[in-house]
Formats: sequence, C-alpha cells, structure tokens
Amino acid sequence: EPEVTQTPSHQVTQMGQEVILRCVPISNHLYFYWYRQILGQKVEFLVSFYNNEISEKSEIFDDQFSVERPDGSNFTLKIRSTKLEDSAMYFCASSDPWGPSRTEAFFGQGTRLTVV
Amino acid sequence: QKEVEQNSGPLSVPEGAIASLNCTYSDRGSQSFFWYRQYSGKSPELIMFIYSNGDKEDGRFTAQLNKASQYVSLLIRDSQPSDSATYLCAVFNSNSGYALNFGKGTSLLVTP
Repeated sequence: EPEVTQTPSHQVTQMGQEVILRCVPISNHLYFYWYRQILGQKVEFLVSFYNNEISEKSEIFDDQFSVERPDGSNFTLKIRSTKLEDSAMYFCASSDPWGPSRTEAFFGQGTRLTVV
Repeated sequence: QKEVEQNSGPLSVPEGAIASLNCTYSDRGSQSFFWYRQYSGKSPELIMFIYSNGDKEDGRFTAQLNKASQYVSLLIRDSQPSDSATYLCAVFNSNSGYALNFGKGTSLLVTP
C-alpha cells in the first residue's frame, strides 16, 4: 500500500541551527502538507503546497519556515533558526484532490524534532 | 477563529461495549469531516470520513453527521483494547484551502 515516508524519524538540534525535514509523498498525490503537533497539543496546520507553490499557510508558518520540492519525489520543510518552541512532531501529509475521496489526507510517520 | 471541539476524556468503556465520541465545529461552511486515530507517539491514521448528513458505517465504526447542529460523532461497536487511542476529529472547508482543522482529540481507554 502506498505511504508517505518521512526522514529522519528523530532529529535533535541546537537552538539557532537550521534543520531540514524530508518527506516523500504518495506518488500520484498532488497536494502536500506539513503539520506539527507539540507534545500534548492538537495537530496544527503549517502549510500546503500544490503545483510547485505554497497554496496556503498558517500564522505559525513565518519567515523562518520554508518548503521546497527539490525534485519529483521529495518535499522538504526547512526551519532556518530553530527555537526551543519548535520542538514538536512534524507530520507530512499528501492528498489527491481529484481522487474519489479528494480531501482525504494520508500522514507520514512523523519526525520528532527536539531543539536543545 | 474556527474551532473544532472535543472532550479530552479519557473515555473509559469496557471491552465489547459501544464507545461514542463527539465533536462540534464552529465553521458552518465545513464540507468534510474526518476521524483519525492516533496512538501515543504515532501519526494520525484515517479511520473514516463523512460528507453528508446521516450515518456512514464501515465495519465496527459508524460516523454520524448533523450539519444543522454542527455535530459529528464516531461510534465504535464491540470495542477492543486495541481501540485504546486518541481519536481526532478533523474538519475541512475548501473555501479555506485544503488544510484540515483538527480538534484536540478524545482519549479512549477500552478495559478488558
């Protein structure tokens, strides 16, 4: 069964460092997303990406965040200068807007980011 | 602020019983409603979705939607200990983009 894959599963970084979280969405999906979940809190939307550009972003997705689709398969989230409060589980998701359940989003296993 | 509200629980039910999980939402333009299951430390896993008012059944799961009351629920029949997890309600409105708006989730504990 196709799945969204994320690497690494766990990343520890020092405050102020840049991190790149990587995702391989399901191959025939066209919408890609990043969500995050701070421990004990709800899943929060960060950004959606369609047709090689940002479709929508939340107020959380400020200038320190960026997304990129560097090739035909990978989708990355970059955090330029990490802060302690960026510590969270980051989930990548993808969906097929033209499929029978076009809004159904499939989530990857997540990357746990710990900023120390 | 468009809210999705869920009772945090924990909701405790005995094995074999029906678990009833509820969710209310504030955005009247919401079009699709999703129930995800999330085990501790894991990613959300889609259980089912519903678009239309009424009931939708899939195995032991039934989703119920009442758009007039802005209410969606998930019933789990014959609950098993393996159903113990946090259940997330998520709401979609295409006029707000393709992002899902999640509730905080209800923790379900099924006791043997």
